[in-house]
Amino acid sequence: QKEVEQNSGPLSVPEGAIASLNCTYSDRGSQSFFWYRQYSGKSPELIMFIYSNGDKEDGRFTAQLNKASQYVSLLIRDSQPSDSATYLCAVQGSARQLTFGSGTQLTVLP
Amino acid sequence: NAGVTQTPKFQVLKTGQSMTLQCAQDMNHNSMYWYRQDPGMGLRLIYYSASEGTTDKGEVPNGYNVSRLNKREFSLRLESAAPSQTSVYFCASTKLGHMNTGELFFGEGSRLTVL
Repeated sequence: QKEVEQNSGPLSVPEGAIASLNCTYSDRGSQSFFWYRQYSGKSPELIMFIYSNGDKEDGRFTAQLNKASQYVSLLIRDSQPSDSATYLCAVQGSARQLTFGSGTQLTVLP
Repeated sequence: NAGVTQTPKFQVLKTGQSMTLQCAQDMNHNSMYWYRQDPGMGLRLIYYSASEGTTDKGEVPNGYNVSRLNKREFSLRLESAAPSQTSVYFCASTKLGHMNTGELFFGEGSRLTVL
């Protein structure tokens, strides 16, 4: 079992819709959770991080964390074609190293 | 503002050849990392350096060596390249101690092909 699991997709949503990206992790001692966005052929860039259970909002992005269920998600509201990218979930586990999921490829259709 | 700079951006090697990937950051960051990214595998940590003078193995260190030359520079060496090392390599850095914030700043990547 991989330590950080993501649905690889591809996930397609129409422009203006809500995109929902999910991630589960196996290390119950994990403390910090991150979402990186990676455009094709480019390097990853951080878009959200969350440490506490609940929701964290930043513009059109909302990160949700449920430590009891070992589940973290990213919602993108009013999706735009420019949001088309691969989204990487990263988890800082009890060993303090950052472990990445394999990523979910999102396509926003005009 | 250069951020994290990696060289070379592209390299083709033959099996058994050696090469060094160079990485330099100008953000005065303490910690530096080398990842590889393969299709369907996400980013996997090869080696990291929590601070100048220290290096540690990550998830997939076999076949690689690293040198933290100074606070700015962290190099990755392949002593005898194998086709399994064909990948995109990313160098990254972070400001605080090892993974305090999680905000990694990545270089543009180095695409390596081993024939």
